Amino acid sequence: AQKVTQAQTEISVVEKEDVTLDCVYETRDTTYYLFWYKQPPSGELVFLIRRNSFDEQNEISGRYSWNFQKSTSSFNFTITASQVVDSAVYFCALSVVANSKLTFGKGITLSVRP
Amino acid sequence: NAGVTQTPKFRVLKTGQSMTLLCAQDMNHEYMYWYRQDPGMGLRLIHYSVGEGTTAKGEVPDGYNVSRLKKQNFLLGLESAAPSQTSVYFCASSSQGAYQPQHFGDGTRLSIL
Repeated sequence: AQKVTQAQTEISVVEKEDVTLDCVYETRDTTYYLFWYKQPPSGELVFLIRRNSFDEQNEISGRYSWNFQKSTSSFNFTITASQVVDSAVYFCALSVVANSKLTFGKGITLSVRP
Repeated sequence: NAGVTQTPKFRVLKTGQSMTLLCAQDMNHEYMYWYRQDPGMGLRLIHYSVGEGTTAKGEVPDGYNVSRLKKQNFLLGLESAAPSQTSVYFCASSSQGAYQPQHFGDGTRLSIL
């Protein structure tokens, strides 16, 4: 069975601070995919990134970066110089090739204050 | 540019009533999913479909039924609504299974009194 743990439930930062959202996953499969989704206050779910288990390269997209470490089963998300528009709930999720299901963590509510 | 469309967006039901939530996608995706989102619980999979005419149970299937008679539509039914089914329901689709990014609808907010 798969499991995703987002131990942080709520984070509050002041604009321009850097913030890291933690994600720890569990699976016995050797081929799997990790995702981050954003849910802004308007409620829709927005796909941010996908990573497969064979690609441990970190990824950077503008102010967003992701650190994938198989040794610690973690896929952490860092926002640099946070902005008010980053305020949202962020979900980490895991899927394995063996089935067609996506397992979500419980989400982290990020509040960025002006 | 519709993507995934959920109908209705809001609904209030009384305990014991039945209703059907409709999900339609125009991306020709094979896989479709129904989730529920409750405070502090993340998204939990109710049922899913890997193609037209197929359905399978997810993590929390009790009290729900689904049908996928057409590739573009995935219906979620509540036969006898209960207050515990008060939630926000999301439909999603993907092209090649859960390892492809899922495209989500805007959600249906359902309240059971």
